[in-house]
This record gives sequence, structure tokens and C-alpha cells, in this order.
Amino acid sequence: GNSVTQMEGPVTLSEEAFLTINCTYTATGYPSLFWYVQYPGEGLQLLLKATKADDKGSNKGFEATYRKETTSFHLEKGSVQVSDSAVYFCALRRNAGNMLTFGGGTRLMVKP
Amino acid sequence: EADIYQTPRYLVIGTGKKITLECSQTMGHDKMYWYQQDPGMELHLIHYSYGVNSTEKGDLSSESTVSRIRTEHFPLTLESARPSHTSQYLCASSGDRDYEQYFGPGTRLTVT
Repeated sequence: GNSVTQMEGPVTLSEEAFLTINCTYTATGYPSLFWYVQYPGEGLQLLLKATKADDKGSNKGFEATYRKETTSFHLEKGSVQVSDSAVYFCALRRNAGNMLTFGGGTRLMVKP
Repeated sequence: EADIYQTPRYLVIGTGKKITLECSQTMGHDKMYWYQQDPGMELHLIHYSYGVNSTEKGDLSSESTVSRIRTEHFPLTLESARPSHTSQYLCASSGDRDYEQYFGPGTRLTVT
């Protein structure tokens, strides 16, 4: 079946540090992959996505590359800000109904 | 900007009460979903719908029920609330063009 595994948090960084949040998946074929972000007290927002192998999704300084060889979709940002503090979810599209399989979420805390 | 709304945002009620959590979207999406998010952040799909008069149970068994009489409206009902129902409930919708799910802000339910 489908599954998504992401690194456990919390991840605590200082402002301007480099961020990597690991995400690996198990699925049949090559599903679309997503990163969602959840700020405190809010719902999830799509951060970026990639629909096929070797695609790179990017948004707000965040990037992730769809690596079929390693079945990974790691999230990176070169210089984090305090405002990036949130919970990040990796997800894959599991069927034609656009249902998603989510990872367990990684909490990021950025200190000034 | 996604247009999906949930009311109320916060609800505190006593055991045994009947409650309905409202979810509406103005994007004309056929597919809608309800998630339960526990304090550990993990998301559990509890109900979904692929269109009017279509409802299905999700991955996690739930005592709640849903209905889909109109495309834009997908309410969730608990006939008799219990403390074990205390959680955050997130509604989402999805169209046919871009596969992503759009999330509402959530309802935080506390049953005393």
C-alpha cells in the first residue's frame, strides 16, 4: 500500500540556517507528491508540489525534487525565518479521487 | 486563494449534545473530505464524498456522519458528543484540474 515517512520533529533552527526535512514514500507507480504547511491555529496550505519524476517544486524559497530512484521528496530552504515556524506535512496522491496519504508531520521552530 | 469555510472555529460543549460542524466551498469542487487531527498532529481521513449524494467512510472509523445534498456543502454531525471526540476537524475539497486539496481553517472541538 501507500505510505509516507517523514523525519520526526521538532526541528529547531536559528534564523538564516539551512533547512532539510526528509520525506520518503512507498507507492505503486509515480504518484504526485506534495508538501503542505500548517501554521498555528490554521488549516493546511499547499506549499509546493511535483507531478512526475525529476520535477522540482518551489515556493516561498522552499524547494523539493521528486527523486524516483530514492523514492524521496525532501523539503529544503536555504535560509529560514522565524515566520517559517509551522508544521510541515509530506503527502502523496493515492488515487483518481485525489485522496492523499500524509506523513506524520514535522514541527519546525525557528529562533531569532 | 482557496475559498473553503468552516464554522464554528471553536466549540466547547457538554457530553451527550448533538453537534453539526459546517463546511462550505465556493470553488465548485466535486470532491470533499473530512479529517480528524489529533494533538500529535497526525491527520486521519474520516469521511469523503465524490459528489452530491455520495459519501464514504475514510481510513479511520468515526462515530460521526456526513451528508452531501449540495455540491458546496459537506456538514459533519455527531449525534451524541463524548470527550473522546475532542479533536481538531479539518475539511478539504479538490477539483479535477490540479489534484491538490484545499483546506478550511478547521474546527477545534472540546467535549467536556
